Amino acid sequence: ETGVTQSPTHLIKTRGQQVTLRCSSQSGHNTVSWYQQALGQGPQFIFQYYREEENGRGNFPPRFSGLQFPNYSSELNVNALELDDSALYLCASSLVAGGYYNEQFFGPGTRLTVL
Amino acid sequence: AQSVAQPEDQVNVAEGNPLTVKCTYSVSGNPYLFWYVQYPNRGLQFLLKYITGDNLVKGSYGFEAEFNKSQTSFHLKKPSALVSDSALYFCAVRGPSGNTPLVFGKGTRLSVIA
Repeated sequence: ETGVTQSPTHLIKTRGQQVTLRCSSQSGHNTVSWYQQALGQGPQFIFQYYREEENGRGNFPPRFSGLQFPNYSSELNVNALELDDSALYLCASSLVAGGYYNEQFFGPGTRLTVL
Repeated sequence: AQSVAQPEDQVNVAEGNPLTVKCTYSVSGNPYLFWYVQYPNRGLQFLLKYITGDNLVKGSYGFEAEFNKSQTSFHLKKPSALVSDSALYFCAVRGPSGNTPLVFGKGTRLSVIA
């Protein structure tokens, strides 16, 4: 059984650029969530995908968007990058079955720096 | 709206002594409560959860947590701290409805001194 993986590990972009972060869910999981963790803060919920559809979103602007693929892997896209987007981006997967939401398992994160 | 408070930014404890990391929460309905640990430059590792049942839940690495509904608390505990327990600890809560998000506290840095 493989855990949650994320790529790339680190990324440096400049303001106004676009970025795509990738996540592979843990085997057997069907739900993926994305979080932004700024330095010294707890993770903030961006959005969640279940069966390839967004089914929950935090207080983030539309320039943050995502996809979930049939194999339950996922992408986070951020357009028009701003300096404040610099953070650790965490992906988490979980199994939702019978309406029961199990605990989430996190990947190691992608460290995004916006210059 | 859900919220989590971790009142201590830092907890220092001597190796071998018991440790407690505090967490209080606010949520509509029955809470789903979690503790995660984060080591430097790493993602979050799941420690334990409370969904229902016994108020004392046991988790990984000898950690346990006590759910107290009247005080809306979910404190993390360990009878004997190890230096390797030094890390950043996050409490998180979500409501019982299907798509409610997981809300994290700001974290408590635990330092275990040899």
